[in-house]
Amino acid sequence: GQQVMQIPQYQHVQEGEDFTTYCNSSTTLSNIQWYKQRPGGHPVFLIQLVKSGEVKKQKRLTFQFGEAKKNSSLHITATQTTDVGTYFCAAVRAGNNRKLIWGLGTSLAVNP
Amino acid sequence: GAVVSQHPSWVICKSGTSVKIECRSLDFQATTMFWYRQFPKQSLMLMATSNEGSKATYEQGVEKDKFLINHASLTLSTLTVTSAHPEDSSFYICSATQGQGAWNEQFFGPGTRLTVL
Repeated sequence: GQQVMQIPQYQHVQEGEDFTTYCNSSTTLSNIQWYKQRPGGHPVFLIQLVKSGEVKKQKRLTFQFGEAKKNSSLHITATQTTDVGTYFCAAVRAGNNRKLIWGLGTSLAVNP
Repeated sequence: GAVVSQHPSWVICKSGTSVKIECRSLDFQATTMFWYRQFPKQSLMLMATSNEGSKATYEQGVEKDKFLINHASLTLSTLTVTSAHPEDSSFYICSATQGQGAWNEQFFGPGTRLTVL
């Protein structure tokens, strides 16, 4: 079954509004990765978080890894139409680095 | 960044035929390659993990004899859908990493759209 919960499933915002997607796991994670998939495209790696409480920024994107290493979030400040796409978190469970466990993704739509 | 190609980008075939999809890492050696399946507006479903020179590890519920995976070199993995049926129609995506396991960043191919008539 699904081991990484990602919410919300969909988000529709006005350009300029902020956006956040969350990932939660019932088990401790070794690391968590975030990917973006544009409509009709393939997933593209955004970032990897490894340390407890880690916060990383990429321009308007802020990524956080929870203190307990069981949850993570991606926050976009002042969305733009170029942010449209589906954002996936993908996690590696502690003690099992054989595969990524994928969230269901959050589809972001931005009204100009 | 690392580039992964996939061929073909789309294929239409008749029910009962076999289809081979190639995944190549163009500018790096891919120790591990992953094969995913994605339905419209859904997440990625991992089908199998393949390491060069060894048998692929299939996820639960994925038929080994139906989805044949070969990872003969560090730059090429192939997925063959044997005796394809309409329910096999999907978007198949491969990814590659430069190390073993899922710890490393995955570089995705552009995907192959399979339609089985």
